[in-house]
Amino acid sequence: DQQVKQNSPSLSVQEGRISILNCDYTNSMFDYFLWYKKYPAEGPTFLISISSIKDKNEDGRFTVFLNKSAKHLSLHIVPSQPGDSAVYFCAASAFLVNDMRFGAGTRLTVKP
Amino acid sequence: KAGVTQTPRYLIKTRGQQVTLSCSPISGHRSVSWYQQTPGQGLQFLFEYFSETQRNKGNFPGRFSGRQFSNSRSEMNVSTLELGDSALYLCASSMGQGPVDTEAFFGQGTRLTVV
Repeated sequence: DQQVKQNSPSLSVQEGRISILNCDYTNSMFDYFLWYKKYPAEGPTFLISISSIKDKNEDGRFTVFLNKSAKHLSLHIVPSQPGDSAVYFCAASAFLVNDMRFGAGTRLTVKP
Repeated sequence: KAGVTQTPRYLIKTRGQQVTLSCSPISGHRSVSWYQQTPGQGLQFLFEYFSETQRNKGNFPGRFSGRQFSNSRSEMNVSTLELGDSALYLCASSMGQGPVDTEAFFGQGTRLTVV
């Protein structure tokens, strides 16, 4: 069962513009959400997280927004850079970070 | 400090065989989780070990099993391999003591191909 869904398999944006990656979840028990970035031939690396007590968390160019009522979160990258081109995975957890449920990923391409 | 190490990096097996994958977590981390990544399915949680005990388990058949040793190193075993088991297997290590104020660190994965 896909408890975490990323409905856009790919996204292409121009360098300098905003990238918005979306994620939906179904399990209301999830209370911690993370975004991971993955380059080919490498394991995923942690990017940013947000707990359910917040609706926004910012780290440099990356901002994650959480809408609990809609069970939706999004990752904003501003401004987008070519080095941001990667697959982005959304993950959710009910308590322990080591029991994460991941979405299928969105491949972001940032064009120079 | 050294990151998460998975061995081997690549593996080719035939249907019906069994395979064992290894994961060495970051020093001091006691939790190791295993994930299967296939195209279109994202990362699917297999199981998690903490202090040599399986603490969580995903929705995979019993052919998938694992264990953790006293030094926190973990192995994952898949018996009676099927073509559909071809995937990238990732392990992640963390302190494992929640709440989730620490993040998991992933290894590079083992690419398993079943022919």
